[in-house]
Amino acid sequence: NAGVMQNPRHLVRRRGQEARLRCSPMKGHSHVYWYRQLPEEGLKFMVYLQKENIIDESGMPKERFSAEFPKEGPSILRIQQVVRGDSAAYFCASSTARVSSYNEQFFGPGTRLTVL
Amino acid sequence: GENVEQHPSTLSVQEGDSAVIKCTYSDSASNYFPWYKQELGKRPQLIIDIRSNVGEKKDQRIAVTLNKTAKHFSLHITETQPEDSAVYFCAALYTGNQFYFGTGTSLTVIP
Repeated sequence: NAGVMQNPRHLVRRRGQEARLRCSPMKGHSHVYWYRQLPEEGLKFMVYLQKENIIDESGMPKERFSAEFPKEGPSILRIQQVVRGDSAAYFCASSTARVSSYNEQFFGPGTRLTVL
Repeated sequence: GENVEQHPSTLSVQEGDSAVIKCTYSDSASNYFPWYKQELGKRPQLIIDIRSNVGEKKDQRIAVTLNKTAKHFSLHITETQPEDSAVYFCAALYTGNQFYFGTGTSLTVIP
């Protein structure tokens, strides 16, 4: 059973371009969480999705950021018109159900976005 | 919302000594507190966790304690080894959807 997969692992974009980050959850996992980690900081919750539904996007910036988790295929975190401040590591995590003390979330290896 | 503070931000110990990392949280509704280890350039990995109805949990050289009244929890690593060197994050589960993470502790174990 492969773990959580993210691609690309490294992404370089120029200011104003779009960044698309992909996350394939573990087999059997239908819940996906996206986090952002700025250099030397902890992870910050962005969005929680279940197949075809956004459950909680309270951590997502109101503009330029969007996320989806279609019925088929990976979850996508999309950042439009990237700015230097978007440079960070973006991690997704998946679980079999909503995270709780009984449902562990498993992290992917992350995508390191660099905006030039 | 929840606010998690973590101390210290960096910690150096001699191999074989103990390391203690402390976190505080603000919302008494938080009920689950995992600890993650993140090696350089790698993904965070769960190393131990504790639920709010438990005061202490131990797994070999790692232990976590929770004081609900004071709203703080701590990670204890005994007999540290060089491979324990990493960044450790505490987290608190709030509202069932969101983990709030501490800012991390960079632990260096000196051989």
